[in-house]
Amino acid sequence: EIVLTQSPGTLSLSPGERATLSCRASQSVSSTYLAWYQQKPGQAPWLLIYGTSNRATGVPDRFSGSGSGTDFTLTISRLEPEDFAVYYCQQFGTSPITFGQGTRLEMK
Amino acid sequence: EVQLVESGGGLVQPGGSLRLSCAASGFTFSSYTMSWVRQAPGKGLERVSGIGDSGTATSYADSVKGRFTVSRDNSKNTVYLQMNSLRAEDTAIYYCARGGLKVISDYWGQGTLVTVSS
Repeated sequence: EIVLTQSPGTLSLSPGERATLSCRASQSVSSTYLAWYQQKPGQAPWLLIYGTSNRATGVPDRFSGSGSGTDFTLTISRLEPEDFAVYYCQQFGTSPITFGQGTRLEMK
Repeated sequence: EVQLVESGGGLVQPGGSLRLSCAASGFTFSSYTMSWVRQAPGKGLERVSGIGDSGTATSYADSVKGRFTVSRDNSKNTVYLQMNSLRAEDTAIYYCARGGLKVISDYWGQGTLVTVSS
């Protein structure tokens, strides 16, 4: 099983700041099969990024993804108030599909 | 518009059973792998099961293998999750998602809450 470890567990930032979230895999993940989701309280996860760096429909361009192999990053260039949420990475190329434990992005 | 609507959750005693349903619309259901993903209270996401477009290929997390069964009815655009021998640790919101292995999970339902408690 591919274990995804996200860091930090919690990130405290202010609107307008830049956020950098990390996802490290226990073994190599094809960049085609790495995704990021955003989840707000009481809501289902919402797809942000697929294929490591492709923004899903309707995702603002302040969100970007990068990485390869075992190290992947989600960057939010300038935080908006609606960006404070929990973010999960997911690999879906190797069975079982696995998620990271999440990074909580909170407002400072 | 793609829509996924889960139903069938509720309160059940340990050892009991429930069947969840996920009704899909807005896309060609029979062309897509589907998944069930759960989230225990205050915890992260765990993919518990998946089923291929024709229904012949299925997969399960080790935590539910032998107790849960996934199926689909392409004539009704619905995927099911039969959950038997339920345990307290199965308490979670269960989400249905379009996609699975090597297919991005791009749409998710709003979830249905399963509570296992005496």
